[in-house]
Amino acid sequence: EAGVTQSPRYAVLQEGQAVSFWCDPISGHDTLYWYQQPRDQGPQLLVYFRDEAVIDNSQLPSDRFSAVRPKGTNSTLKIQSAKQGDTATYLCASSFRDWGGEDTQYFGPGTRLLVL
Amino acid sequence: QQKVQQSPESLSVPEGGMASLNCTSSDRNFQYFWWYRQHSGEGPKALMSIFSDGDKKEGRFTAHLNKASLHVSLHIRDSQPSDSALYFCAARSTGTGSNRLTFGKGTKFSLIP
Repeated sequence: EAGVTQSPRYAVLQEGQAVSFWCDPISGHDTLYWYQQPRDQGPQLLVYFRDEAVIDNSQLPSDRFSAVRPKGTNSTLKIQSAKQGDTATYLCASSFRDWGGEDTQYFGPGTRLLVL
Repeated sequence: QQKVQQSPESLSVPEGGMASLNCTSSDRNFQYFWWYRQHSGEGPKALMSIFSDGDKKEGRFTAHLNKASLHVSLHIRDSQPSDSALYFCAARSTGTGSNRLTFGKGTKFSLIP
């Protein structure tokens, strides 16, 4: 079974430029997550979807970040006008909803972003 | 304050040795816990989950949960070179309906050559 795939794997930008990250979750997984992982820290949730609906975007900097999952499968995370502080690895994860709350999240390899 | 705290920050053991990693939560709503392992250049991979008090063993890895003290530990026996990685403890709340995972800052585990 194929895992979570992400592209690109690396991106280097100047401040002020825009960038998009793409994620293909594990087939059949209804829940998709985007995390930001600064260097030497744990992942921090930005936003997550169940099917095409946004469930929690409370930690997404809405003035410059946006995320969509229009058909409930693939997803795109976009940063408008990137800042040096956005330098991090962006991870996508997916899971299949467990009503008991015990579903495990499976992560992709991430996109490493460097903003100069 | 970090809601999920891990210790130690780094840990080195000889090949074949045993290691213990610790995780403490400051939020009593956290009832579900996972241990993730992340090798350099890769995404985190779930090692094991633990939701009930007591021990859970999977191969060379044993997790222990004490909900009363909000403490989770991971014990690795017969350490192998492939175990060298970052280990994260992650927790999820109950009762909120949220799938949000809160991660600790991680423990860097390496083998002494």
